[in-house]
Amino acid sequence: DIQMTQSPPSLSASVGDRVTITCRASQRISTYLNWYQHKPGKAPKLLIYAASSLHSGVPSRFSGSGSGTDFTVTISSLQPEDFATYYCQQTYSHPHTFGQGTKLEIK
Amino acid sequence: QLQLQESGPGLVKPSETLSLTCLVSGGLIISSSYYWGWIRQTPGKGPEWIGSISYGGSTHYNPSLTSRVTISVDTSKNQFSLKLTSVTAADTAVYYCARRGEQWIVNEAFDIWGQGTMVAVSS
Repeated sequence: DIQMTQSPPSLSASVGDRVTITCRASQRISTYLNWYQHKPGKAPKLLIYAASSLHSGVPSRFSGSGSGTDFTVTISSLQPEDFATYYCQQTYSHPHTFGQGTKLEIK
Repeated sequence: QLQLQESGPGLVKPSETLSLTCLVSGGLIISSSYYWGWIRQTPGKGPEWIGSISYGGSTHYNPSLTSRVTISVDTSKNQFSLKLTSVTAADTAVYYCARRGEQWIVNEAFDIWGQGTMVAVSS
């Protein structure tokens, strides 16, 4: 299985900050990388697919980049509704493994 | 808009079979552009991909679960189901159903999720 490692595990930031979360794959996965946002008690939401494509309805302050083994998701100016846990997922090969998550908390 | 809703027992005894159903509403499960999947998550860990199925019955399973898992689809009821046999406490988790778009649509990502249902394995 391809292992996905996210960093940092948690992050404290303030409204208006620029934040970047990193995801590293244990082998090269081209751009077969997706990002999700998850709030407690809610259904997870797809943010970015294919490493850099913004899913429909996702605000433009979210952006993704990377290819091969190293990927990032950036929030350009944090809004109160962005505090959540973020997960990456590879879809290069089955099983489509997820990272362990990055919890974004209010400072 | 399309919605998914999981249902099933919240408590299952060890060694028994966990059975969950996902009802798809607001759209048809019959689509060549999508698969339908199950994901689970235990507290403090990342989600675990369980498997997925097409409306025609083509399946992909996580190798770590393949000996115990069956995903099936019922197009007449617009729903799909998960069965996990011989459960243990390690199978206690929140179980989500989700729609998976084809690679050319959303890179095989899960683009619509259910709210999730907690299943505990305990005697």
